[in-house]
Amino acid sequence: EVQLQQSGPELVKPGASVKMSCKASGYTFTSYVMHWVKQKPGQGLEWIGYINPYNDGTKYNEKFKGKATLTSDKSSSTAYMELSSLTSEDSAVYYCARAELGGWLPAYWGQGTLVTVSA
Amino acid sequence: DIQMTQSSSSFSVSLGDRVTITCKASEDIYNRLAWYQQKPGNAPRLLISGATSLETGVPSRFSGSGSGKDYTLSITSLQTEDVATYYCQQYWSTPLTFGAGTKLELK
Repeated sequence: EVQLQQSGPELVKPGASVKMSCKASGYTFTSYVMHWVKQKPGQGLEWIGYINPYNDGTKYNEKFKGKATLTSDKSSSTAYMELSSLTSEDSAVYYCARAELGGWLPAYWGQGTLVTVSA
Repeated sequence: DIQMTQSSSSFSVSLGDRVTITCKASEDIYNRLAWYQQKPGNAPRLLISGATSLETGVPSRFSGSGSGKDYTLSITSLQTEDVATYYCQQYWSTPLTFGAGTKLELK
């Protein structure tokens, strides 16, 4: 069974950075692209980008370049996203989502990590 | 970027209704269209991929149709557990983009 276990909620101060994790199990980690998606409270879904854990190749939404950095660790089957220079606009739930086999479609989703930016 | 437009932000529905939600892309997305269901406090759940393919475990009362720029999600005989927000998403090109969502609410 595919499982994506995301790290717990974060309360961070404006201007700081935060790094969250997404631990994968139930499949071969390096065989599937991992997406990250943002959802602000009460709002819709916004694609941040993806990482290919096989070669650490990344693709970002232009809007999140300089804001988000995607990395992965093959040894622990874990994907990471770091958000920098946080503002209140970054307060949101962030989801990781594994792509479908051989494609881009986000098919399996983690439970989300809530990030709250507040002084 | 490809813009995805869902025709309604919310629908007032009754149990047993047939519900149709529409989604329009700003350009042809060649059936690379997915539908997700999201309930409060939960992650989105993939219902349909490739515009028409039902994911494993999704009830057959859900169906998808469409081509080119225009796509539809249909729910026959709405059940209580179907009350949720539904998003369309194109995965023809990056950035992947979502519709704004259609929330189903019981009358």
